[in-house]
Amino acid sequence: GAVVSQHPSWVICKSGTSVKIECRSLDFQATTMFWYRQFPKQSLMLMATSNEGSKATYEQGVEKDKFLINHASLTLSTLTVTSAHPEDSSFYICSARDLAKYNEQFFGPGTRLTVL
Amino acid sequence: TQLLEQSPQFLSIQEGENLTVYCNSSSVFSSLQWYRQEPGEGPVLLVTVVTGGEVKKLKRLTFQFGDARKDSSLHITAAQPGDTGLYLCAGAHAGNMLTFGGGTRLMVKP
Repeated sequence: GAVVSQHPSWVICKSGTSVKIECRSLDFQATTMFWYRQFPKQSLMLMATSNEGSKATYEQGVEKDKFLINHASLTLSTLTVTSAHPEDSSFYICSARDLAKYNEQFFGPGTRLTVL
Repeated sequence: TQLLEQSPQFLSIQEGENLTVYCNSSSVFSSLQWYRQEPGEGPVLLVTVVTGGEVKKLKRLTFQFGDARKDSSLHITAAQPGDTGLYLCAGAHAGNMLTFGGGTRLMVKP
């Protein structure tokens, strides 16, 4: 299957700092990537759709100025959590869509963010 | 919002037992995917079903897509402790975004 990587795997930061998470498709090009958030013992919640070369589409209730998304190339999307607060602590997962495989989405390993 | 209801939410069984997980929706999906997720990791794709009535088998796992492409099931035969995890169904619709079910947390006891 297609491989998607995420970096970092985990991060601990102080309240008020910004954190950048990278999502890369390693062996395929992804015009579209997705960012999800997952709370403990819950399913995935879509935050935004990241389109290469254009602005991201945010789901209702997700602050675009809080969660900055950049999709500068066909293999890289970044999510920046700006001025992070403890309530932003969560497991963030990205996925990339492989057009060559029925538009299947392949997920990264996730990034655990803890804001102190 | 197109909802996908997944049941049961939790399932604890003994090794060797069979189980079925269901995903139901009032909406039609172009395809439906099943994932398994281990704690602290991203979901791993198990299968994609595309055609109404389609049945796919992956070793002891059998996946079925409803005729109307609104529902799906995952059946595990002779469950093993290694099957323990969170199982997620996800329906693809307009824009190819995925709508996830609530997940089924399976624990198989040896």
